[in-house]
Amino acid sequence: EIVLTQSPGTLSLSPGERATLSCRASQSVSSNFLAWYQHKPGQAPRLLIYGASSRATGIPDRFSGSGSGTDFTLTISRQEPEDFAVYYCQQYGSTPFTFGPGTKVDIK
Amino acid sequence: QVQLEESGGGVVQPGRSLGLSCTASGFTFSSYGMHWVRQAPGKGLEWVAVISYDGSNKYYADSLRGRFTISRDNSKNTLYLQVNSLRAEDTAVYYCAKDVGVGWNYADDWGQGTLVTVAS
Repeated sequence: EIVLTQSPGTLSLSPGERATLSCRASQSVSSNFLAWYQHKPGQAPRLLIYGASSRATGIPDRFSGSGSGTDFTLTISRQEPEDFAVYYCQQYGSTPFTFGPGTKVDIK
Repeated sequence: QVQLEESGGGVVQPGRSLGLSCTASGFTFSSYGMHWVRQAPGKGLEWVAVISYDGSNKYYADSLRGRFTISRDNSKNTLYLQVNSLRAEDTAVYYCAKDVGVGWNYADDWGQGTLVTVAS
């Protein structure tokens, strides 16, 4: 089973600041099959990025994904008020599919 | 517009069984794989299981295999999750999610979830 580790656990930012979230895998993620989701309390999770770097339909271009192998990054170029949420990475390159523990982005 | 609606949650005693359903609309259900994902209170997302578009292939999280059964009825556009021998640690919001393809991919649409509470 691939274990995903996310850092930091919590990121405190002001609107307009840049957010850099890290996701590290215990072994190489096959074909860079790594997705990022945004999750707000009481809502359904929302797909942001798939294939490590491809934005999902309707996702603003301030969200970008990068990385390969075992190290991946989600960047939010300018934090908007609606971006304060928990962000999860998930690998779907090998079963069982696994999520990271999440990074909470809150308001400084 | 994809819509996924989970049902069947509630309060259940430890050791009992529970069946969850997910009714799908807005897409050709029989063409897509489906997932169950859960979130315990105060915890992160945990992937539970996936089923292929035709139900012929299924896979479970290692820690849950044996007590959880995923299934589907394409004639009813419905996904199911049967959970046996419920434990307190199964308390969670259970989400169904649509795979982007026939199965074994990422999920691009999610339901709002249904809460299962295991308590005596």
